[in-house]
Amino acid sequence: DIQMTQSPSAMSASVGDRVTITCRASQGISNHLDWLQQKPGKVPKRLIYDVSNLQSGVPSRFSGSGSGTEFTLTISSLQPEDFATYYCLQHTTYPPTFGQGTKVEI
Amino acid sequence: EVHLVESGGGMVQPGGSLRLSCEASGFTFSDHYMDWVRQAPGKGLEWVGRIRNRGNSYSTEYAASVKGRFTISRDDSRNSLYLQMNSLKTEDTAVYYCARSSNNWSDWFDPWGQGTLVTVSS
Repeated sequence: DIQMTQSPSAMSASVGDRVTITCRASQGISNHLDWLQQKPGKVPKRLIYDVSNLQSGVPSRFSGSGSGTEFTLTISSLQPEDFATYYCLQHTTYPPTFGQGTKVEI
Repeated sequence: EVHLVESGGGMVQPGGSLRLSCEASGFTFSDHYMDWVRQAPGKGLEWVGRIRNRGNSYSTEYAASVKGRFTISRDDSRNSLYLQMNSLKTEDTAVYYCARSSNNWSDWFDPWGQGTLVTVSS
């Protein structure tokens, strides 16, 4: 199985900060790398698919990049509603695997 | 609007069985692949398994942790997805989500249902 490792596992940030979360794959993957957001007590929601494509309705302050084994999610200016846990997900090969999550706290 | 509603969760003893359901609306259910994903309390997300559509022979895939114990099925006439869980273990305790996917590799795990909690405990 491909292991996905996110860093950091948790972080504190302030409104307006630029936030970058990294996801590393244990082996090279194609572009089927997604990012999901989960707010406390809520359902996971897809933010970005295929590395850098923004899901419809997701604010443009979110962006994704990367290739091979290293991928990043960037929030250009953190807003109050962005405090959540973020997961990367690879679905290049079975089984699909998630990162362990990055909790973004105030 | 796409809507997925899970049901059937509850408390069960180790070794017991439970059947979860996921009712879909707002899209052509029969066209899509469907997945189950679970989240243990306070933990991350773990893919459980998938069932493909009729055009792909309703074939299934399972995570190693549940293979041989869990079975995914669907009833396209009822727009419903099922997860039969047998020989349950305490480590199967989790919120179970259904999620829509497709044969387009760029369109997986969107959206998700609200989840149903399964607690395995004596």
